[in-house]
Parts: sequence; C-alpha cells; structure tokens
Amino acid sequence: GESVGLHLPTLSVQEGDNSIINCAYSNSASDYFIWYKQESGKGPQFIIDIRSNMDKRQGQRVTVLLNKTVKHLSLQIAATQPGDSAVYFCAENRGNRDDKIIFGKGTRLHILP
Amino acid sequence: DGGITQSPKYLFRKEGQNVTLSCEQNLNHDAMYWYRQDPGQGLRLIYYSQIVNDFQKGDIAEGYSVSREKKESFPLTVTSAQKNPTAFYLCASTYPGGYNEQFFGPGTRLTVL
Repeated sequence: GESVGLHLPTLSVQEGDNSIINCAYSNSASDYFIWYKQESGKGPQFIIDIRSNMDKRQGQRVTVLLNKTVKHLSLQIAATQPGDSAVYFCAENRGNRDDKIIFGKGTRLHILP
Repeated sequence: DGGITQSPKYLFRKEGQNVTLSCEQNLNHDAMYWYRQDPGQGLRLIYYSQIVNDFQKGDIAEGYSVSREKKESFPLTVTSAQKNPTAFYLCASTYPGGYNEQFFGPGTRLTVL
C-alpha cells in the first residue's frame, strides 16, 4: 500500500492473477479520489475515479473500492498483464474547492512471468 | 489531437543558471499545475493556476517562478535559488471546480551539472 517512507512499496504479482493496490487517505473531508498509472519516464495517466457518495466503481479490468469508515481506497486489476507494470498513485481532492489534488507516494506493481 | 505537451524532454543546467520549462495545452482547460517528482517519490505541487493572470504557490514553491499570460501556456522557471533542482518535472491541467481528473504532460527531466 501507500507509504510515507523514502522507498516505494512494491507489489509483485504473477501474470494472469488479480492485483490489489491499497491506499490510505488522511482527510475525511476528501470527496473525490483518483487512481493514476505512471510508467517509467512518463507522466501519470488517469485510470479510474470515484466520488465519496459511492463505494465501488468498475472500469475495464479495474475496480476501485472506497471505504470511508476507515479512509481506505483500493485498486483491483483483473488478470494482470505485463503492460500493467508501473507505479500506481492514489490521489484525493480535499473538497476545499481550490482544485488541489493530493497524491500518495505510489506503489510499484511488478509482474512476474 | 488534444493534449498537453512539455519541452524539452531532457534539460541540463549548470549551477547558478535559471532555466525555463515549457508547458502547453490545447484542451481548453482553465487550471494548470506544476509538480516535482524525485526518484521513488510521489508528486509535490510547486505552483498552480486556476485562471489566466493568476497563480498560487503550492507546497514547494521556493526557488521557482511561473507566469500565466495565456490560457494555453504555464511556463515554470527554475531559478538559481532552488538548491536541489535535479528532478522530473510534470505539468498538468484540468477543468476547475473539483471532481475532474488532471491530465499530465510527458514530463521534463532536469539535471544540474
């Protein structure tokens, strides 16, 4: 999951298995959450988002779950592929309407052949 | 094609020199952002602008300056006052008002020699 340490946490998953990446957010006022994927040397790409009035949202091969009680967000990737290898960031908007999005530290997803 | 571009991709600077990083978008977004990313780290907000001719400091604005004379452009100047400027710089844009994901450029890697 997300870490405040200096080193990115790494999740290693066998190709074809499902991946679950976790994120804890700190501000209960946050009402919008986004997952981004960042490949090496590139800018982050939007994967999926969810508002606080939902607890689950599905996209193509991805599902985001939101648990507001424990302030936890997760990204599930089904049937993980080599192209899913990247760093994944969760981000939160703190609902103060100044449009700043706060990013987590990221989790590196490593796909095992 | 609509998108957000950054140039150059790689930039080298001698200590004591100012350098300007370019960011252009044709997405008709009002809000634009600059982030700094260090190896194995998340994104830290340098400056952001919600509208032309207006911008606000982010979390690490010291040693940086920006301008927003046109909606499409948000250049970042890394000044000699920035003590540790070597990093990956990312520009992003979005529609204002919250609940909108940020679109990122490909990034500029700045190295101080």
